[in-house]
Amino acid sequence: AQSVTQLGSHVSVSEGALVLLRCNYSSSVPPYLFWYVQYPNQGLQLLLKYTSAATLVKGINGFEAEFKKSETSFHLTKPSAHMSDAAEYFCAVSDHSSYGKLTFGQGTILTVHP
Amino acid sequence: DSGVTQTPKHLITATGQRVTLRCSPRSGDLSVYWYQQSLDQGLQFLIQYYNGEERAKGNILERFSAQQFPDLHSELNLSSLELGDSALYFCASSFGLAGTDTQYFGPGTRLTVL
Repeated sequence: AQSVTQLGSHVSVSEGALVLLRCNYSSSVPPYLFWYVQYPNQGLQLLLKYTSAATLVKGINGFEAEFKKSETSFHLTKPSAHMSDAAEYFCAVSDHSSYGKLTFGQGTILTVHP
Repeated sequence: DSGVTQTPKHLITATGQRVTLRCSPRSGDLSVYWYQQSLDQGLQFLIQYYNGEERAKGNILERFSAQQFPDLHSELNLSSLELGDSALYFCASSFGLAGTDTQYFGPGTRLTVL
């Protein structure tokens, strides 16, 4: 069975600071990994995904994530936070046998202070 | 705008009632997924349809059912509603069944059971 653990339900950073949101996965087969963002009262929007090509994945809005098999991690980073990055972020996993079904982490709420 | 539409946006009903949530996928997408988002359970996969056929089932209660119609829109039926069914219900669509396919999420239907 697949599972995802997001360390830290709340992360607070200052504008311009590094953003680091942590995600660890558990999967019995090679996983596909996703980061989604949810703004208040909106649906989820894909930031980036890992599908077994390059381990460093670049996404929208300056975000990137690195797949590290040895650490079973897929942490999301952004060098410089912007006020507009304040939202809830979800890490999710699927695999080739799941017909695309996503298993989500519990989410991390990012707060950006001026 | 993801291209996925969901109606209604809000639904308030009483315990024991039955409701129907509707989803129209992005043009060209054949897969529809339903997810439930609640404070205690987080984001959970309910069920998936591909081109009119059920393909994967998650933590969906027996009181809940879904279908995908020939025009590819989908409906999620919730019956004998309980207070605990109050949640945000998301529909997502993707082109195919692959674990690598991006799922595009609708804005959600917020269900409140009183």
